[in-house]
Amino acid sequence: SQTIHQWPATLVQPVGSPLSLECTVEGTSNPNLYWYRQAAGRGLQLLFYSVGIGQISSEVPQNLSASRPQDRQFILSSKKLLLSDSGFYLCAWNTGTTNEKLFFGSGTQLSVL
Amino acid sequence: DQQVKQNSPSLSVQEGRISILNCDYTNSMFDYFLWYKKYPAEGPTFLISISSIKDKNEDGRFTVFLNKSAKHLSLHIVPSQPGDSAVYFCAASAHYGGSQGNLIFGKGTKLSVKP
Repeated sequence: SQTIHQWPATLVQPVGSPLSLECTVEGTSNPNLYWYRQAAGRGLQLLFYSVGIGQISSEVPQNLSASRPQDRQFILSSKKLLLSDSGFYLCAWNTGTTNEKLFFGSGTQLSVL
Repeated sequence: DQQVKQNSPSLSVQEGRISILNCDYTNSMFDYFLWYKKYPAEGPTFLISISSIKDKNEDGRFTVFLNKSAKHLSLHIVPSQPGDSAVYFCAASAHYGGSQGNLIFGKGTKLSVKP
């Protein structure tokens, strides 16, 4: 069966510090991978998605970037965090077929102070 | 510009009664709709979905209704249980050129079921 791992679960970082969140999927090949953010009062916002190694699409301009160095690995990064980057970050995957649901990781609560 | 709207941020229901969560959308291209349930500090989990070719889908205590003309869908939970207390997200996607687009989520509705 497929599983998705996301870490760390919580993170407190000072403004201006770098960020690296990692997500890996097991039990499937060539998944579509996604990064979402849940900010207070804003629901689930799609940040990035990837349909293959090295292929990244950005949905919103921001202080963050994403990379996919391996088939089942998706990394969310920032060189300098802003206060507004605080939120609950979720990694998700699917196989990209028709009418398919997303499977989410357990999330990372990021607090930028 | 929100394409998927959940206008009620919270809902409180007595155990055993019906919970009705509502969702409106603006993009007439949406043809697949889902409901997710989320507990605090956890990732959302899939609950139920409906394709635009249907107007109702039922799974145990959960039923989703779709009204395409009104661009409205609702999730009914009967009977409601305290364990149903969570945030419920409505999501939608469209097919473009044969490919399914990304899911667009609403802001969520926090359901509290009181014993």
